[in-house]
Amino acid sequence: EAGVAQSPRYKIIEKRQSVAFWCNPISGHATLYWYQQILGQGPKLLIQFQNNGVVDDSQLPKDRFSAERLKGVDSTLKIQPAKLEDSAVYLCASSPPSDEQYFGPGTRLTVT
Amino acid sequence: GNSVTQMEGPVTLSEEAFLTINCTYTATGYPSLFWYVQYPGEGLQLLLKATKADDKGSNKGFEATYRKETTSFHLEKGSVQVSDSAVYFCVNNAGNMLTFGGGTRLMVKP
Repeated sequence: EAGVAQSPRYKIIEKRQSVAFWCNPISGHATLYWYQQILGQGPKLLIQFQNNGVVDDSQLPKDRFSAERLKGVDSTLKIQPAKLEDSAVYLCASSPPSDEQYFGPGTRLTVT
Repeated sequence: GNSVTQMEGPVTLSEEAFLTINCTYTATGYPSLFWYVQYPGEGLQLLLKATKADDKGSNKGFEATYRKETTSFHLEKGSVQVSDSAVYFCVNNAGNMLTFGGGTRLMVKP
């Protein structure tokens, strides 16, 4: 079974630029999550989708972050414009109806 | 609200030493509890879980018991190996929302 796929694996941008991350969950997993993991900390949930609907986006900084999952499969997370404090690893996870989440390898973002 | 507090690292041990990483949680309701592990250069992986009070999760020689009375889920292993070097996260799952602890880096020396 293929795992959660993410791309790119690394991205370096300047502040005020835009960036987008892509996630392909495990086939058949209805729930998809985006997390932000700042160096030395645990991951923090940004947004949770159930199929193509948003379940929770209470911790998403909506003035600059957006996410979509239009067909209930792949998802993109966008930051526009980026700030220095957005430097982090962005993790995508998916889960079946059970409560176990499966994580992708992450995208490491560096904002200079 | 939900929170997880785990001991800060790094924890440095010699091979075959006994490991304990403390974890306590707060949660509304009755959460499931997990330990996730992040090996160098790899993604987060589920190590073990417990879904109700007094359950013991175990995997790869690691164990953790869900203690409702002390709101704890301490991770233990009787004899660590160099290959266990990684960052360990205690995680609280309430309402299908994961709350992570800050992570504990374990370094095992030969």
